[in-house]
Parts: sequence; structure tokens; C-alpha cells
Amino acid sequence: GQNIDQPTEMTATEGAIVQINCTYQTSGFNGLFWYQQHAGEAPTFLSYNVLDGLEEKGRFSSFLSRSKGYSYLLLKELQMKDSASYLCASMDSNYQLIWGAGTKLIIKP
Amino acid sequence: GAVVSQHPSWVICKSGTSVKIECRSLDFQATTMFWYRQFPKQSLMLMATSNEGSKATYEQGVEKDKFLINHASLTLSTLTVTSAHPEDSSFYICSAKQGADTEAFFGQGTRLTVV
Repeated sequence: GQNIDQPTEMTATEGAIVQINCTYQTSGFNGLFWYQQHAGEAPTFLSYNVLDGLEEKGRFSSFLSRSKGYSYLLLKELQMKDSASYLCASMDSNYQLIWGAGTKLIIKP
Repeated sequence: GAVVSQHPSWVICKSGTSVKIECRSLDFQATTMFWYRQFPKQSLMLMATSNEGSKATYEQGVEKDKFLINHASLTLSTLTVTSAHPEDSSFYICSAKQGADTEAFFGQGTRLTVV
């Protein structure tokens, strides 16, 4: 079956670094997406990885290992506004997104 | 990035009535649109996928006669929740993509409350 696993909740301190992990099992693979979602709002695109390795984009970086079915989102220099849910989604062979349940990130001062 | 506009942002309706939600791509041709439902503290659940000019493909367990999807143009898709019940109260989100592009862009979402 298809499955996306990510932690339910994480807590970090303002200014620190946090890594949110995601493991996936999907029928075929056409890339791994990370989205940020604030409560009551639609998801916002953060990153897309289809090749192994690290993609850096400002304070956010995303890593992919296709052989391990594993990805992580790295957030540096955390700010209070980074408090949100972070959704991992794998695109399967039909180009459909299979969504994880999301990781709620709580930032403390 | 491309802009997808979803309307209304929130709606309250009486049980038994119908509600229409619009999803528009403002600066690109949305050949494919996706409709999702999200209950509190849960992930996005794909309801249906629609390609312009074709009938929508519904996910298992989604009633096609209850959730009517129309995608008659390359910039507009609508989701109509017919004979709404309180259990239909949820956050409905559309996303749209153009051609073979991998990235889909999300609308703002619609909070539906059925009383």
C-alpha cells in the first residue's frame, strides 16, 4: 500500500534548527514535496525533490534519498512565524500526491 | 508562482441546501484540477481529479452524486455540495496544474459549516 509517515508534532526554540523527517512508500515515484500550512489556510509550496541530495532554498533545505524512501525538511534560524504544520507528499506513478498527516511545529521563544 | 483563486473563503449553510465552491486559475491554463477535503488535524484527502472538458474521476468512497464537479473551462472548476449535512462540514481546497507540470498550485480553501 501507499504510506507517508512523519512525526505528529515537534517543538523547537526560536533561532534554532529543526529537522522534520518523512518516510514514504508509494506506487512509483515522481518526486517528494514539502508544504507549509498555517491553521485555517491552504498549503504553501516549499520544495520539490526528485533526485537524491540536498536542495537549499534560503532558511529551508530539503533532502531526498530515493533508495531509503526518506526525506527531511531542515529549517534554520527559526522564527515564530515558522510555527505551522509541515506536510510531506509523495507523487506516485499516476502523478497523484499522496499526503502525510503533517507535522505540527511549535516554536518557543 | 501561479495564482489560484478559490471562492468563497467560508460559507455557512442550512442542512439540506446546496453550496457551490469555485476554483479559478488566474494566470495559467489549468488542464487538471484537484479537489481535497481536510478535517481538523488531519491530512488532505483527495476527493476527485478533473481534466478540462472531461468527467471528474472520484476517489473511492466519495459520492459523485453528492459532490458535483464541473471543469468546463481551462480556468474554472466548481465543486457543488448537494443536500449538505453537518458531517459535510470541512475545509475544502482546490489545486490546479497545467499540462505535464508536476507542481500544482492551491487555492485559499473554503471553510464549509453546515448547520
